[in-house]
Amino acid sequence: NAGVTQTPKFRVLKTGQSMTLLCAQDMNHEYMYWYRQDPGMGLRLIHYSVGEGTTAKGEVPDGYNVSRLKKQNFLLGLESAAPSQTSVYFCASSLNGENIQYFGAGTRLSVL
Amino acid sequence: AQSVTQPDIHITVSEGASLELRCNYSYGATPYLFWYVQSPGQGLQLLLKYFSGDTLVQGIKGFEAEFKRSQSSFNLRKPSVHWSDAAEYFCAVGAADSNYQLIWGAGTKLIIKP
Repeated sequence: NAGVTQTPKFRVLKTGQSMTLLCAQDMNHEYMYWYRQDPGMGLRLIHYSVGEGTTAKGEVPDGYNVSRLKKQNFLLGLESAAPSQTSVYFCASSLNGENIQYFGAGTRLSVL
Repeated sequence: AQSVTQPDIHITVSEGASLELRCNYSYGATPYLFWYVQSPGQGLQLLLKYFSGDTLVQGIKGFEAEFKRSQSSFNLRKPSVHWSDAAEYFCAVGAADSNYQLIWGAGTKLIIKP
């Protein structure tokens, strides 16, 4: 019973490099979310998805892209990483928008 | 603008003492309210939620919270804290008309004195 799994757990990038963060959930949830967490700022929503094949922008979408080709997976991409994207990234899923969100353990990303 | 305020960045409490963490929100619609806990290096875990009905809600690990509409507050309480309660606590607010997107407070770090 894995729940929400994020890979990788840690990553260091150089400015301008690209990478993809993978989120996988095994609970058959419709909704999935990507957040970033910065000190003193709580969680901020980057993008979210209300179902397979759909995505929408959250509060801080600039510099990120997402895809939800399969219901269980939600990918977050950084095309050209910037130091401002140094953060801890959390993926979450929920059965629908009203239900509680279940979180992965996070990915700590440093952009040098 | 919609917002969630957790006024205390850090709170230090002695083990066995009572705890209250404050959460105030500004939201136009009828809110859904949540408290989550984050242990160091971990993801967030739901402690409790309020959608409707009884304004005093019980959660896991002996926590409870009370929704006070007149004060726009949803404070978290525990009668007697344990060392294992040391963590960061986040309040979040959502509503049906926002597609249930959650607005998060900045968090309160709870430190337990032995």
